[in-house]
Amino acid sequence: GENVEQHPSTLSVQEGDSAVIKCTYSDSASNYFPWYKQELGKRPQLIIDIRSNVGEKKDQRIAVTLNKTAKHFSLHITETQPEDSAVYFCAAQKGNAGNMLTFGGGTRLMVKP
Amino acid sequence: DTGVSQDPRHKITKRGQNVTFRCDPISEHNRLYWYRQTLGQGPEFLTYFQNEAQLEKSRLLSDRFSAERPKGSFSTLEIQRTEQGDSAMYLCASSSEPLEKLFFGSGTQLSVL
Repeated sequence: GENVEQHPSTLSVQEGDSAVIKCTYSDSASNYFPWYKQELGKRPQLIIDIRSNVGEKKDQRIAVTLNKTAKHFSLHITETQPEDSAVYFCAAQKGNAGNMLTFGGGTRLMVKP
Repeated sequence: DTGVSQDPRHKITKRGQNVTFRCDPISEHNRLYWYRQTLGQGPEFLTYFQNEAQLEKSRLLSDRFSAERPKGSFSTLEIQRTEQGDSAMYLCASSSEPLEKLFFGSGTQLSVL
């Protein structure tokens, strides 16, 4: 089955700096890659996603890049703010039978004011 | 709130007792998923339904776990003879199509004493 590795497990940045979180996946059939943000005690919330026919997607301060050949994708957050502090999870999904998301282990992002 | 709702939010039980959780997906979503999340980890897939049909179950789902979605709307997850290792956050999610966005509920936090 699919295996998703995520790193770093913790990331501390100064407010205003950029943050990059990287994930690799094992199954070349995976074709949908969402990113979720989870604040303490709250539900995971989708912040951005990318499909395998696209190499990059941007939404204001966040962007995701995908390298299908290398089977890795990354989340980029620019101009970080204290409210960006949370745990971020990447995930991968195949479009055929099953359709479940396989999640990475998470990255705890701390943005210091 | 028209999102995914789960009940109860918290459940404390003694080892050996049975527990049942409920999930109400977003009304137009025909796909419903159950995930389990332990502290510091990403959500792990348990099972999923398309309408009332349970289409996939993870190997994580032991015989003590059973899930139903009798009318293709709400779903229940029952754990029989709970064990301390069952302590986790149980998350429900729904989506409308494959490769579409997955929306999570706030989860049921289970503590088995």
